Amino acid sequence: AQSVTQPDIHITVSEGASLELRCNYSYGATPYLFWYVQSPGQGLQLLLKYFSGDTLVQGIKGFEAEFKRSQSSFNLRKPSVHWSDAAEYFCAGGGETSGGGADGLTFGKGTHLIIQP
Amino acid sequence: DTAVSQTPKYLVTQMGNDKSIKCEQNLGHDTMYWYKQDSKKFLKIMFSYNNKELIINETVPNRFSPKSPDKAHLNLHINSLELGDSAVYFCASSRTGETQYFGPGTRLTVL
Repeated sequence: AQSVTQPDIHITVSEGASLELRCNYSYGATPYLFWYVQSPGQGLQLLLKYFSGDTLVQGIKGFEAEFKRSQSSFNLRKPSVHWSDAAEYFCAGGGETSGGGADGLTFGKGTHLIIQP
Repeated sequence: DTAVSQTPKYLVTQMGNDKSIKCEQNLGHDTMYWYKQDSKKFLKIMFSYNNKELIINETVPNRFSPKSPDKAHLNLHINSLELGDSAVYFCASSRTGETQYFGPGTRLTVL
């Protein structure tokens, strides 16, 4: 069965430090992959997505992610975090028909990012 | 000019009641979805629907039913509410096979 795993439940980073959030997937074929961010009490905002092509994708708010087929990973990175980046981050995957398609996205359990002053 | 909107934002009700949550998208998308986010923030697909088919996650109780009056709306009806239905419900939409965009969520509390 397809799955998305975020191994880190909580991550604490100092403001200005670099960030990497881990995501691993298990799919029969290369999935469509996404990172969403959820601020407290808010909905889900798309940060970036990977469908095919260049394995390093750029997103909003200075985030990027790299698709590594050999490691079944799609880790999210940011070179310098800001206090406003504190939020819940979700990695999600979908099959060819569910990049936004019929059977919906499979989400990881989320990583809670805490920013220390 | 909100892309995906949901009403109400908060819904508090008693066990056994029937309630609905409305979802509207103005993106011209052909597929809409409902997700449930539990108290541990885990998100799970409940339904997806386009004008051709409804796909139901097999774990969803049949007390939950989506209704689509037109392509821009997918409302969620819940009958005989139970304590375990308390959660945040998110609507989303997309063009089939493309990125999903999410609404702001509806926090349902069943007392």
